Amino acid sequence: GESVGLHLPTLSVQEGDNSIINCAYSNSASDYFIWYKQESGKGPQFIIDIRSNMDKRQGQRVTVLLNKTVKHLSLQIAATQPGDSAVYFCADSGANSKLTFGKGITLSVRP
Amino acid sequence: NAGVMQNPRHLVRRRGQEARLRCSPMKGHSHVYWYRQLPEEGLKFMVYLQKENIIDESGMPKERFSAEFPKEGPSILRIQQVVRGDSAAYFCASSPEGSRYGYTFGSGTRLTVV
Repeated sequence: GESVGLHLPTLSVQEGDNSIINCAYSNSASDYFIWYKQESGKGPQFIIDIRSNMDKRQGQRVTVLLNKTVKHLSLQIAATQPGDSAVYFCADSGANSKLTFGKGITLSVRP
Repeated sequence: NAGVMQNPRHLVRRRGQEARLRCSPMKGHSHVYWYRQLPEEGLKFMVYLQKENIIDESGMPKERFSAEFPKEGPSILRIQQVVRGDSAAYFCASSPEGSRYGYTFGSGTRLTVV
């Protein structure tokens, strides 16, 4: 079946370091990928997205990399801050509008 | 411009009761999606609706669950005869004209079945 999964359940980083969160997807027909941040008690918050015709996209302090050959997606957060502590989800979609989410990884930032 | 509004934020129901979850999309958005999140899990797609139409209900359980998005008023996710396994966070998202770009989520309704 179609699934999007994350390699690690938790990631602990020192404040100021860079964070890298990885994601593998299995649906080769997926052509749109999104990273979401979810804080406790809140809904998913859009971070950054990328379409399959690109392999890299940068935002403010965040970069998403897409490797379609190995069906791998990563989120890089520069100079990680305490406010970045949350659960991060990758999601993908194909021709329809529904999203397939991974299980999530918890990012914990040490002061 | 308010975002996606969901209510109630928390809902407690006894086994066998009905649960009604409401979602008002963002202004200008005509398509609504419902997702369910179990503890320690990612979100799972349930249903995709536009006004007065169900576009895709492939993620809905076959029994007890239904959804609607009437011409007037919010979208409603209805769960009849709730069981403990229905306890989860239910999130609604909306998008403009069914576009998967510009998807915005609400804060969710946390349903607890006791």
